[in-house]
Amino acid sequence: DQQVKQNSPSLSVQEGRISILNCDYTNSMFDYFLWYKKYPAEGPTFLISISSIKDKNEDGRFTVFLNKSAKHLSLHIVPSQPGDSAVYFCAARPFSGAGSYQLTFGKGTKLSVIP
Amino acid sequence: SAVISQKPSRDICQRGTSLTIQCQVDSQVTMMFWYRQQPGQSLTLIATANQGSEATYESGFVIDKFPISRPNLTFSTLTVSNMSPEDSSIYLCSVVRQGDTEAFFGQGTRLTVV
Repeated sequence: DQQVKQNSPSLSVQEGRISILNCDYTNSMFDYFLWYKKYPAEGPTFLISISSIKDKNEDGRFTVFLNKSAKHLSLHIVPSQPGDSAVYFCAARPFSGAGSYQLTFGKGTKLSVIP
Repeated sequence: SAVISQKPSRDICQRGTSLTIQCQVDSQVTMMFWYRQQPGQSLTLIATANQGSEATYESGFVIDKFPISRPNLTFSTLTVSNMSPEDSSIYLCSVVRQGDTEAFFGQGTRLTVV
């Protein structure tokens, strides 16, 4: 049973437009969420995170939105650039307590930004 | 971010053999983990590497198959034992430093078992 779901395996966006990557989770114990970016032959790179006490976190071109009641989060990239082409993983964990650093990942969404 | 060196970066191994993967971090870290990414799948946690004691394994992973060592705060190894083609995956070392809320990853080891 997948506790973190990324239902879109791939997404293509024109350069300069907005990219929206979605993630759903089922475990109510999750209250800290992270997005990682992965290029081929490299390990995942941390991008941005959000805790459940917030509904939005912004870092430059990247914004993560959290809808806790819907157990849904999304990553917005504006404007999208060709260098953003990568696989994006959504991850979740409990904020504190036992197991609070172990991450549960989605399957990833491959973003292609077309010049 | 922490600098994580993972070796080897890739290997092709014969079934029935074992491979040891090393993870070296440039600074002392609170926690070290090993993940596996099977083809087309998400990253799955194998175990938490505990310094000076036995690793804590997740459901579905056992010490006999994936022995782990962590002799100090900056180094850990994962061994994939008695390999079969189903073990073909990317294996990733991950660390969390004191005070950090995010985990950092090594570049991964791409293992192919033939």
